Amino acid sequence: GQQLNQSPQSMFIQEGEDVSMNCTSSSIFNTWLWYKQDPGEGPVLLIALYKAGELTSNGRLTAQFGITRKDSFLNISASIPSDVGIYFCAGHPPGTNAGKSTFGDGTTLTVKP
Amino acid sequence: NAGVTQTPKFQVLKTGQSMTLQCAQDMNHNSMYWYRQDPGMGLRLIYYSASEGTTDKGEVPNGYNVSRLNKREFSLRLESAAPSQTSVYFCASVLTGRYEQYFGPGTRLTVT
Repeated sequence: GQQLNQSPQSMFIQEGEDVSMNCTSSSIFNTWLWYKQDPGEGPVLLIALYKAGELTSNGRLTAQFGITRKDSFLNISASIPSDVGIYFCAGHPPGTNAGKSTFGDGTTLTVKP
Repeated sequence: NAGVTQTPKFQVLKTGQSMTLQCAQDMNHNSMYWYRQDPGMGLRLIYYSASEGTTDKGEVPNGYNVSRLNKREFSLRLESAAPSQTSVYFCASVLTGRYEQYFGPGTRLTVT
């Protein structure tokens, strides 16, 4: 099936720093979604992207749908301790059932106060 | 709205025991999904149900069965638990035609 490569696998940063992570695929995707999973909880949707080149913000988070349709990026500005968690990307290749997502393996973020 | 609920939150089983994980959603979503999450391996799809009355295998269906009891409820059954099924299990639902998944809080299962 489809594979998503998410990187980095983990990040250890200082509070106040900016964070960048990305997701790549060997084939094109029609949508990209970014989720965050707090420790001990289920993933929660952060940002959804529907068009190549789209740039969308949600507070301190900004995500972009790559113009090649094979990648997506998530940036977090001025990180705070509550940003700790696992960030997952998810995508949908053309022709797939709308709700059936392909997930990356996640980026684990640790923020040191 | 409770969203997606899962029971139990924690469970310990001995090898060979059986159990059913329950999931319910109150958002009138048509599609429901069961995932397992193992450290460093992200979310792997076990089974899904695109609509009431249908179920399909996902990436890792072996050792599991599912029942879409009605539009609200989708259960996952382990007939004979194995230590390899130790994992965190998440249920999710999606509105028809949409991509955004809504997840439950998870069931943490240990098989000894």
